[in-house]
Amino acid sequence: QQQVKQSPQSLIVQKGGIPIINCAYENTAFDYFPWYQQFPGKGPALLIAIRPDVSEKKEGRFTISFNKSAKQFSLHIMDSQPGDSATYFCAASSLDSNYQLIWGAGTKLIIKP
Amino acid sequence: DAGITQSPRHKVTETGTPVTLRCHQTENHRYMYWYRQDPGHGLRLIHYSYGVKDTDKGEVSDGYSVSRSKTEDFLLTLESATSSQTSVYFCAIRGGNTYEQYFGPGTRLTVT
Repeated sequence: QQQVKQSPQSLIVQKGGIPIINCAYENTAFDYFPWYQQFPGKGPALLIAIRPDVSEKKEGRFTISFNKSAKQFSLHIMDSQPGDSATYFCAASSLDSNYQLIWGAGTKLIIKP
Repeated sequence: DAGITQSPRHKVTETGTPVTLRCHQTENHRYMYWYRQDPGHGLRLIHYSYGVKDTDKGEVSDGYSVSRSKTEDFLLTLESATSSQTSVYFCAIRGGNTYEQYFGPGTRLTVT
């Protein structure tokens, strides 16, 4: 019940396309859902996060869509660029676990020029 | 990297030797975490701290110990390194009243 399932494992998209990465969870106590971006040789960087009181959040070209009833959330990257090529991780946490992050397995995204 | 440094950044050591990795923060954040990252396993929590001298185990704590004698420093020790502990180790921090975790640049450890 503590798992976060992330898909796909890898994704190749042409420049300008809209890659979509999906995550699903079971624990209904989760109330914080961040996405991290990681470039090779670097630490994960917090990209965008959402709480379950909203269904969508946008920051620049990055959008999180949240479906509470389906227990799913997804990351969309608008007008994707080669510089967006990275590994993306979703995660989830809750107050009753003191906001320890439960991580998805990651998606390696390649944006082709 | 949100005021987080890790040292060393790279280390090669032999099986059976002790190793200590250091995480230093300048943010005065309450929570500090040690993760390891391996291909196919994503990020796994080793230990975390919720205050000076207050620590607890994560999901992969066997073979590791930690100490936090000051708010700004969180040490990870491998008492007797094994080849299975070859990995990239990341430190993260979180403020007491916030949700966000911020990561350091990582330490690449190779145990030969």
